[in-house]
Amino acid sequence: SYELTQSPSVSVSPGQTARITCSGDALPKQYAYWYQQKPGQAPALIIYKDSERPSGIPERFSGSSSGTTVTLTISGVQAEDEADYYCKSADSSGLHYVFGTGTKVTVL
Amino acid sequence: EVQLVESGGGLIQPGGSVRLSCAGSGLRVTTSYMNWVRQAPGKGLEWVSVIYSGGSTVYADSVKGRFTVSRDTSKNTVFLQMNSLRVEDTAVYYCARAPYNESSAFYQWGQGTLVTVSS
Repeated sequence: SYELTQSPSVSVSPGQTARITCSGDALPKQYAYWYQQKPGQAPALIIYKDSERPSGIPERFSGSSSGTTVTLTISGVQAEDEADYYCKSADSSGLHYVFGTGTKVTVL
Repeated sequence: EVQLVESGGGLIQPGGSVRLSCAGSGLRVTTSYMNWVRQAPGKGLEWVSVIYSGGSTVYADSVKGRFTVSRDTSKNTVFLQMNSLRVEDTAVYYCARAPYNESSAFYQWGQGTLVTVSS
């Protein structure tokens, strides 16, 4: 079955930049989506179609894509950005969604 | 404002069944792609199923043949019928909505309902 691989954790100081990668074979042909999940809360969409930001999402969140890897960048990390982050995409059929393994961002 | 409210979770014995509901307000299920996503305790997110705006459905391989998603358009409610439950189905189940014009972007989520499969 199709898998999306993320690094398990990222630690960053306030004001610095955090980069979270997500790798999958179908990513060149399927858009990626990013979700933020804080403890005890439902996930929230922060990036769609690789690099688009929904209204209300701060500009410090950005997404990019290159080949089989997509990247979520948080510029000028704030304490409130401490959360789990998941990428999501579809398999090569386009019918089944898959979430990445998740990355825990810790703000030091 | 779009709101989604799940209900129906609880403690179920292995092999048993349960039906989850996701009641939507501020939206029409006929112009939405309604998904179910689950999260086992302490684990990551797993997509379970989708019912498209036209009513067709798709399932993850892990639940295909055991789970059925349906909807009541008059009540703007989506259901997840879960049969032949296994211990590994224990999770918080979220419904998540994508609008028809961005069918893969899960913009809105419910608060989740916990299903525990245990004897």
